This record gives sequence, structure tokens and C-alpha cells, in this order.
Amino acid sequence: NAGVTQTPKFQVLKTGQSMTLQCAQDMNHEYMSWYRQDPGMGLRLIHYSVGAGITDQGEVPNGYNVSRSTTEDFPLRLLSAAPSQTSVYFCASSRHGTSGRGEQYFGPGTRLTVT
Amino acid sequence: GDSVTQMEGPVTLSEEAFLTINCTYTATGYPSLFWYVQYPGEGLQLLLKATKADDKGSNKGFEATYRKETTSFHLEKGSVQVSDSAVYFCALSAAANAGGTSYGKLTFGQGTILTVHP
Repeated sequence: NAGVTQTPKFQVLKTGQSMTLQCAQDMNHEYMSWYRQDPGMGLRLIHYSVGAGITDQGEVPNGYNVSRSTTEDFPLRLLSAAPSQTSVYFCASSRHGTSGRGEQYFGPGTRLTVT
Repeated sequence: GDSVTQMEGPVTLSEEAFLTINCTYTATGYPSLFWYVQYPGEGLQLLLKATKADDKGSNKGFEATYRKETTSFHLEKGSVQVSDSAVYFCALSAAANAGGTSYGKLTFGQGTILTVHP
């Protein structure tokens, strides 16, 4: 059972480039989300999805795009990378998305540097 | 909006010392409360949780009690080990009746770095 997987583990981009961070889960979880982790700020929610075809914005959505065409996959797109997007990105999934009672399972993270 | 405040870090302890990491929260209704741990180079993993007032979550010798009256969820361990060195995050998930946009979203504290020396 792979759980939540993320690719790539590391990425360096130049300002203005675009890329997609991949996230997949094999637990049939309805709820998936993307967070960014910055020093001294904990994790902040970027976008989330409560099921295939349904996405919504989190706390810091600007500069990011998401889609959810299948239950398993939830890619995060950076449209035009900026140095302020240098961060560690975590994908998470949960079975009890609508109740707030469920444990969220996190992927190993993608460390992104924008120069 | 919802918020979580953790004690300032980093925390440095000797092996077998007592650990407390303070966490307080602001939220509507009765949120679920969590402690997550992040070991070096890894993603976050759930350490323990409590879903209603006065519940005590426990795991691997760590404990935390959901205190509604003080809006707190402090993490404690009686005797820490070197292997407990990690970053600890307190988090909450909004109550089910907090509104349609609450769908399991986690609000995190800023994290506390714990280093345990032999």
C-alpha cells in the first residue's frame, strides 16, 4: 500500500517557468489537499478537493491551479513561478473529509526552489 | 477565523527529561484537535488526536488532553528519547457544524522544533 505519493522530491525552477507537482493516493480517499510549509509559519492550505470534479481555494491559492479528474490524483500547477513560491509542498488525503474527524495522510513532500 | 498558537521554540532537552509543548486554539464550536510529528526529511504523520472536550489522546508515550475551558491541547511526555527529535505541529479541524466550507481542513500552528541530546 503506497499511501500518498508525490513527485518530484526536489525541483529548481527559474522565475516565470511553469510546472506541475504530482500527487496520488491509493486509499480511495474523497478529500485531498495541498499545503505549503515555510519556516516559522507551519503549513498553510493552498487548495483542496472533496471529490472528483470539485475543488476550492484554501488560505494561499494565488499563483496555483488544481484540478481533480479522478479520485486518485490531485496535481498542483504553478502557472508562472516566483521566488515567493520557494517552499516545501505537501499533499494530503483523508477519508472523513466532510466531518473534520478524520486523520489526514501526508505525502513525503516536494522541495521547490525558484531562482 | 480559526487559529492555533504553539509555544515558541526550539526546545532542547536531555534524554529522559519531561516534555511539555503548549498549544492553544481559537475556533467556533467543538473542533477536533491533533498533534502531528515531522521527522527530518519526511512528511507529517499523525501522533495523536482528540475529538471532544476532556478526551485524552495518547500514542508512543505522548499525551494531550482537550481542554475546552482553556482552549488548550498541550503535548506532554514523561521521558523523552533521542529518537523523539522532530518538529511537532498542533492542528485543528473545524467542527462539522461550522459551515459548508469546513470540509476537514486543517489549521496548523507554526511548529516546535524538539532536539533531545543523549
